[in-house]
Amino acid sequence: AQSVTQPDIHITVSEGASLELRCNYSYGATPYLFWYVQSPGQGLQLLLKYFSGDTLVQGIKGFEAEFKRSQSSFNLRKPSVHWSDAAEYFCAVGPNDYKLSFGAGTTVTVRA
Amino acid sequence: GAGVSQSPSNKVTEKGKDVELRCDPISGHTALYWYRQSLGQGLEFLIYFQGNSAPDKSGLPSDRFSAERTGGSVSTLTIQRTQQEDSAVYLCASRVTRDQPQHFGDGTRLSIL
Repeated sequence: AQSVTQPDIHITVSEGASLELRCNYSYGATPYLFWYVQSPGQGLQLLLKYFSGDTLVQGIKGFEAEFKRSQSSFNLRKPSVHWSDAAEYFCAVGPNDYKLSFGAGTTVTVRA
Repeated sequence: GAGVSQSPSNKVTEKGKDVELRCDPISGHTALYWYRQSLGQGLEFLIYFQGNSAPDKSGLPSDRFSAERTGGSVSTLTIQRTQQEDSAVYLCASRVTRDQPQHFGDGTRLSIL
């Protein structure tokens, strides 16, 4: 069985500060890993994905994520947060690129 | 339209009734997916249509759930004899090919009383 845990339900960060969102997964083989973002009033948007190769993955909007097999983690990071980054972020895992299990999400609030 | 369109946006119905949820994918997108998000949980995969191939139904939680895709475009997700645990947001997504990202609709919020 596959599952994803996002330990932080809500994170508040100051604009310009760094952001790290945690994601831990459970999967029996090498997983496909994804991060999605959902902004208020908008649909889910893919930020980045990992299938294989370099474990540090670059995505859109200045985000990156690092796959750490030994820790079963795929944490999302951004060096400097912008107010427009306020949204809900979902980590997902699966055996391919669509049969995914998503985490419950982390809501990010950005304060001025 | 420019994006994936789902209707209705909200649906409230009584336990035991049947419901139909509709998804209009982006024109030209051959792949269509249904997911659901229950309260406090992440999305879970339900079903995947790819062109004229047999759909991947492995995510459907019970035989009360079914989906069709007519003419390779519009899809309908049907839930028969609804139960309270069916209450969730049902999301549809489409994409052109597997190497392109999915485009998600805004979802249908289903509430079973």
